[in-house]
Amino acid sequence: EPEVTQTPSHQVTQMGQEVILRCVPISNHLYFYWYRQILGQKVEFLVSFYNNEISEKSEIFDDQFSVERPDGSNFTLKIRSTKLEDSAMYFCASSEDSAYNEQFFGPGTRLTVL
Amino acid sequence: SQQGEEDPQALSIQEGENATMNCSYKTSINNLQWYRQNSGRGLVHLILIRSNEREKHSGRLRVTLDTSKKSSSLLITASRAADTASYFCATAGLNTGNQFYFGTGTSLTVIP
Repeated sequence: EPEVTQTPSHQVTQMGQEVILRCVPISNHLYFYWYRQILGQKVEFLVSFYNNEISEKSEIFDDQFSVERPDGSNFTLKIRSTKLEDSAMYFCASSEDSAYNEQFFGPGTRLTVL
Repeated sequence: SQQGEEDPQALSIQEGENATMNCSYKTSINNLQWYRQNSGRGLVHLILIRSNEREKHSGRLRVTLDTSKKSSSLLITASRAADTASYFCATAGLNTGNQFYFGTGTSLTVIP
């Protein structure tokens, strides 16, 4: 069964460093998403991406964040200058046709900012 | 804010019993989806119910939706120890089709 994959599973970085989190969505899906979950809190929407551009983003997704689909398979989330409060699980998801259909989530990347 | 809120926050039952979790939300929705998350793991999609549907079944899962009350419930029948996980509802709004709002989750423990 096709699945969303994410790498790395755990990333440790120093405050102020740039990180890139990678995702490979399900191959025939058109919509891609990033979410984050701070430990013990709810899952929060960051951004959705369709047709090579951001379709929606939340208040959390400020200028420090960017997304890219550099090739036909990868979908990346970049945090330019990490802060301590960026420590969280980051989940990538994809769907065939927007949030009006089910979203399939990857296993997540645990980001720890020291 | 459209975020759903689940209750109870935590639920502990014996294996074989039924578990019911509730979710409330604030604005009109296109659909509501339930997810399961095992500790430290990703989210597994369980079931999607659209705003024009009132009830859906999938195996031991039964979901209801009451749009007049802006609420949904997830019933897991004949629970098993493997059902131990956190359960979240997530809503897709009418005009925010590419945003998904998650609730705070219910932590379910099924005691063997």
